[in-house]
Amino acid sequence: AQSVTQLDSHVSVSEGTPVLLRCNYSSSYSPSLFWYVQHPNKGLQLLLKYTSAATLVKGINGFEAEFKKSETSFHLTKPSAHMSDAAEYFCVVSERYSGGGADGLTFGKGTHLIIQP
Amino acid sequence: DGGITQSPKYLFRKEGQNVTLSCEQNLNHDAMYWYRQDPGQGLRLIYYSQIVNDFQKGDIAEGYSVSREKKESFPLTVTSAQKNPTAFYLCASSYGTGGTEAFFGQGTRLTVV
Repeated sequence: AQSVTQLDSHVSVSEGTPVLLRCNYSSSYSPSLFWYVQHPNKGLQLLLKYTSAATLVKGINGFEAEFKKSETSFHLTKPSAHMSDAAEYFCVVSERYSGGGADGLTFGKGTHLIIQP
Repeated sequence: DGGITQSPKYLFRKEGQNVTLSCEQNLNHDAMYWYRQDPGQGLRLIYYSQIVNDFQKGDIAEGYSVSREKKESFPLTVTSAQKNPTAFYLCASSYGTGGTEAFFGQGTRLTVV
């Protein structure tokens, strides 16, 4: 079984300061991990993905995430926030062997990122 | 351009009506999904399909139905049995299940009037 917990429902930062969105996961098998971004009334866009290669993953728009197996974490970071980063962010886990035929994707409940001018 | 197209963007349903949400993809993906999104609840899986003419219930399938007659298409019908259908509906597709990322459409906002 797999699960994902996003530790903060809302995060507020000032423009130009670092962003940290926290995600912990649970997985019985080797997981793939993803971060998606959703702007209001839009679909989800893939920011980055981890699939067992390098543990530090770089994505679009300056975001990156580090897979830490010992901590079962996959936190999303960005060195300097921009106003356009304001959105909802979802952490997603997927087991590369889902076994029972489930869809394989489990979503966190989302973190709303607010950027203060 | 390859992608997933959902239509319509906005849909209004009267009490007791069935409505169908369209989802088409030209990515040649085998797997397709329907999710429901409510504020503060993330995404919840309604139905998914791993191959043509086959589909499986997700976590909240009651009051919904789907079909998968073509690889490219996975329409969702919201029936009158769905007591609280007002939500944002997202369709997605992927190469397969287990370990592969999903690609999403732009969503359909359904409102009961």
